[in-house]
Amino acid sequence: AQTVTQSQPEMSVQEAETVTLSCTYDTSESDYYLFWYKQPPSRQMILVIRQEAYKQQNATENRFSVNFQKAAKSFSLKISDSQLGDAAMYFCRYTSGTYKYIFGTGTRLKVLA
Amino acid sequence: DGGITQSPKYLFRKEGQNVTLSCEQNLNHDAMYWYRQDPGQGLRLIYYSQIVNDFQKGDIAEGYSVSREKKESFPLTVTSAQKNPTAFYLCASSIIAGGADTQYFGPGTRLTVL
Repeated sequence: AQTVTQSQPEMSVQEAETVTLSCTYDTSESDYYLFWYKQPPSRQMILVIRQEAYKQQNATENRFSVNFQKAAKSFSLKISDSQLGDAAMYFCRYTSGTYKYIFGTGTRLKVLA
Repeated sequence: DGGITQSPKYLFRKEGQNVTLSCEQNLNHDAMYWYRQDPGQGLRLIYYSQIVNDFQKGDIAEGYSVSREKKESFPLTVTSAQKNPTAFYLCASSIIAGGADTQYFGPGTRLTVL
């Protein structure tokens, strides 16, 4: 069965600095998709970035980028120039074509002024 | 504005009662989903629907029921058979169901059983 692991329950970063959140997963499938979602205190889930497993190029969205290591089954999120508004829970999600939607347990990110 | 609405934001239920959570979307998405979120855990899939009049069980469907009579609406009923229903419930939708879909989420409903 597929699993998603976020080993960092909580992280802190100084404003304007860079932080990396880790996510590892286990699967025997070759075709799948990976996502990072942000959940601010309002609790609404917001898509941050997505990565298709068949693409070797790492996805980037403004200050957010991923380091996708398919062989290592690792999908980390890098946030550059951290802002106070980045403080939230971050969830990694694995999805495959067989309607599997698996979320990690989340990492709480604190941004220090 | 296009989006997903969930109501109510907070819901209180007495033990033994059924309760229905509303989810509406005006994004013209075919697929809709219900997730449950508990403290310290990620989201877990309860039910999903790929198209009107069709729905499938997710990982934790026991004690829940859904209907999909209209494309825009996917209500979730929490029945008295659900042993531990206090949780945060999130509804989502996507253009189609499947691995490539990007799901868009509603603001959630916090259900508390008294």
